[in-house]
Amino acid sequence: NAGVTQTPKFRILKIGQSMTLQCTQDMNHNYMYWYRQDPGMGLKLIYYSVGAGITDKGEVPNGYNVSRSTTEDFPLRLELAAPSQTSVYFCASSHLGGVDTEAFFGQGTRLTVV
Amino acid sequence: KQEVTQIPAALSVPEGENLVLNCSFTDSAIYNLQWFRQDPGKGLTSLLLIQSSQREQTSGRLNASLDKSSGRSTLYIAASQPGDSATYLCAVPQGGSEKLVFGKGTKLTVNP
Repeated sequence: NAGVTQTPKFRILKIGQSMTLQCTQDMNHNYMYWYRQDPGMGLKLIYYSVGAGITDKGEVPNGYNVSRSTTEDFPLRLELAAPSQTSVYFCASSHLGGVDTEAFFGQGTRLTVV
Repeated sequence: KQEVTQIPAALSVPEGENLVLNCSFTDSAIYNLQWFRQDPGKGLTSLLLIQSSQREQTSGRLNASLDKSSGRSTLYIAASQPGDSATYLCAVPQGGSEKLVFGKGTKLTVNP
């Protein structure tokens, strides 16, 4: 199994540009998440989805949008990139919920906005 | 709001030493706790998942304990090796949801 796959691995954007970070999972997980990780700040939840067609905001959603048209894919859209969005972005997925919920992470996308 | 703290932020030990990493959380109404490992420039790898009804979980040289009432978990690494060098993060669900709240991690360096 490939698990959680993110593309691209690295990207440099100019201020004001837009881009989509891709995330796909092949584990048939219903929950998917986007986190950002800044140095010394830990991981912060941007958006999450509990199933196809359902998305909700996390702790730091401003400047981002998501969609979940299929179980497998959960793309993150950046509109009008800003230097504050320079970060490492991680996509994750988990199955069902409750005591056995174990999260699996992708390898990350390192984004620099200049 | 759930908050997770990890102490120490960094730890450097000689090879072969046994060590303990600490994780504390403010809301004890959790149904599990997860420990992750992150290598530089890489994603997070799940190490251990402890259910709320469990006191500890073991995998090889790793042993994680959970004390819900005191809001604490420890990750014990036996006979440390240079390959154990990484950042270790713990995470708990936020308010009964599946949204994970992370600590800032402990950066471990094991010196040969």
